[in-house]
Amino acid sequence: GQQLNQSPQSMFIQEGEDVSMNCTSSSIFNTWLWYKQDPGEGPVLLIALYKAGELTSNGRLTAQFGITRKDSFLNISASIPSDVGIYFCAGLIIQGAQKLVFGQGTRLTINP
Amino acid sequence: DSGVTQTPKHLITATGQRVTLRCSPRSGDLSVYWYQQSLDQGLQFLIQYYNGEERAKGNILERFSAQQFPDLHSELNLSSLELGDSALYFCASSPPGVNTQYFGPGTRLTVL
Repeated sequence: GQQLNQSPQSMFIQEGEDVSMNCTSSSIFNTWLWYKQDPGEGPVLLIALYKAGELTSNGRLTAQFGITRKDSFLNISASIPSDVGIYFCAGLIIQGAQKLVFGQGTRLTINP
Repeated sequence: DSGVTQTPKHLITATGQRVTLRCSPRSGDLSVYWYQQSLDQGLQFLIQYYNGEERAKGNILERFSAQQFPDLHSELNLSSLELGDSALYFCASSPPGVNTQYFGPGTRLTVL
């Protein structure tokens, strides 16, 4: 079955630093989605990528859909304390129905 | 606020019992998805409904079942509960023709 390898598993950074995380897969996806999840809450959609090579920004967040359609990265610039949380990538396959496959998550911790 | 609502927020029950989790999708969304997230784990897809009909199945146990009603709300029924069923259960919905999913706040199920 499809699997996503998300790295790093965790990051400990200083406030103000930039952050980069990525997901890779052996499978091709139609869409890449990036979510942020706070403890005990539902994942919140950050960025959706629909086209290979697409680079999309949402404030301090930038994500790209890899040209091979098998990978994606998310960058956060000038991190702030509210960026703390778990970030998940998700690859979407259309096989009649939408099938969303999630990465294992990247836990971001920020030292003020 | 994603627009997806889930009730209850928390549920505590005993082994062997049966519970029902409820989800209302965003206005206009026809698809509903159910996911399970165990402690510090990624999200595992359980089942999808589209406009009242089952569309796709993931790693859903036979003890679990779901349905989507004419008003598009959905219920996930979990029976013969075991300790290992303790988890966060999320519902997501997607608009027609758009490759993305919006998640609700989740129901935390604790089986004692």
